[in-house]
Amino acid sequence: QVQLVESGGGVVQPGRSLRLSCAASGFTFSTYGMLWVRQAPGKGLEWLAVISYDGNNKYYADSVKGRFTISRDNSKNTLSLQMNSLTTEDTAVYYCAKEGGGSGSCPDYWGQGTLVTVSS
Amino acid sequence: EIVLTQSPGTLSLSPGERVTLSCRASQTVSSNYLAWYQQKPGQAPRLLIYGAASRATGIPDRFSGSGSGTDFTLTISRLEPEDFAVYYCQRYGSSPPYTFGQGTKLEI
Repeated sequence: QVQLVESGGGVVQPGRSLRLSCAASGFTFSTYGMLWVRQAPGKGLEWLAVISYDGNNKYYADSVKGRFTISRDNSKNTLSLQMNSLTTEDTAVYYCAKEGGGSGSCPDYWGQGTLVTVSS
Repeated sequence: EIVLTQSPGTLSLSPGERVTLSCRASQTVSSNYLAWYQQKPGQAPRLLIYGAASRATGIPDRFSGSGSGTDFTLTISRLEPEDFAVYYCQRYGSSPPYTFGQGTKLEI
């Protein structure tokens, strides 16, 4: 069965960096696009970034463009999100998700999320 | 960027009732690339509907989606106790960002 397990969350000071990882199993990772979505406490879902199956195409939300970088290692079935210049507005649960089909498909499986708290 | 507006924000209903949730897009959603998700407290979202009207694997047939262009709806024909949750719509398909609506909360 498909499993997505996020890690790397925690408490970080404003201005610092953090790297999230997502370990994937139960499907052929190298053939699906992957994405990150976050949810601030008590708020709705915010789409952040998507990466194509081969890593060649990446797109970002304006709110994180230039600060966050999505990447993948198909040899290790791992998705990553490098987050720089963090602010308190980045405090959220971060979910990784798998696209359901071809490029641009909606996500059909989600991890349970990892909490990032940006606080001094 | 396409903005999705969901209405109403909160609905108070009882088990057994029928409910229709609305999702309106600021521009035409190409190829009806519109999805619906359910999220319960402390859980990840679960895909219910994709392509505006196709049920995802394992989703009960009391859930149905419809619409095209800029107006989409999610209907739950007969509410079960486990259906009380927050529901989000999302556009996808081409030209990111793949924005979400702000959500509709169904409460008892």
